[in-house]
Amino acid sequence: NAGVMQNPRHLVRRRGQEARLRCSPMKGHSHVYWYRQLPEEGLKFMVYLQKENIIDESGMPKERFSAEFPKEGPSILRIQQVVRGDSAAYFCASSPGLAGTTKNIQYFGAGTRLSVL
Amino acid sequence: GNSVTQMEGPVTLSEEAFLTINCTYTATGYPSLFWYVQYPGEGLQLLLKATKADDKGSNKGFEATYRKETTSFHLEKGSVQVSDSAVYFCALRGSNTGNQFYFGTGTSLTVIP
Repeated sequence: NAGVMQNPRHLVRRRGQEARLRCSPMKGHSHVYWYRQLPEEGLKFMVYLQKENIIDESGMPKERFSAEFPKEGPSILRIQQVVRGDSAAYFCASSPGLAGTTKNIQYFGAGTRLSVL
Repeated sequence: GNSVTQMEGPVTLSEEAFLTINCTYTATGYPSLFWYVQYPGEGLQLLLKATKADDKGSNKGFEATYRKETTSFHLEKGSVQVSDSAVYFCALRGSNTGNQFYFGTGTSLTVIP
């Protein structure tokens, strides 16, 4: 059973370009979470999605950032017109979504490290 | 609201020393508590968890006890190894927040031979 797969592992963009980060959850998981880890800082929650629905986007910047989790295919975190401050590690996690049970654990991917030149 | 506070690092210990990383939380209801570990260049891995008061989570020699009276979930290990060098994150899942997790800022541990 493959774990959470994120690609690319490293992404370099110039200011003003778009960045697209992909996340395939673990098999059988229907819930996806995106986090950002800035240098020397902890994880910051960005968005929580289920298939075709955004459940909680309270951590998403109001502009330039969007996320989706379509019925088919991976979840995508999209950053438009990147700026240097977007440079960070972006982690995706998935869970089976069994709210209220002890099995509802988040499993993390290895992350995508975005560098904006 | 829900939040997690961890002791600030970095922490540097000699091999075989005793480790404590403090974690306290604020939450309504009865949250579940977790410790995750992040090795260099990798994602977070679940280290241990506890789902109710007085539960003790343990794994790979690490332990943490869910203390509701002090709202704490301190991580301990009796004898650290160089391979334990990593960043450790305390996290909670609220009892009334569905699948939402809240993470601390992480504590970097370096173990020297």
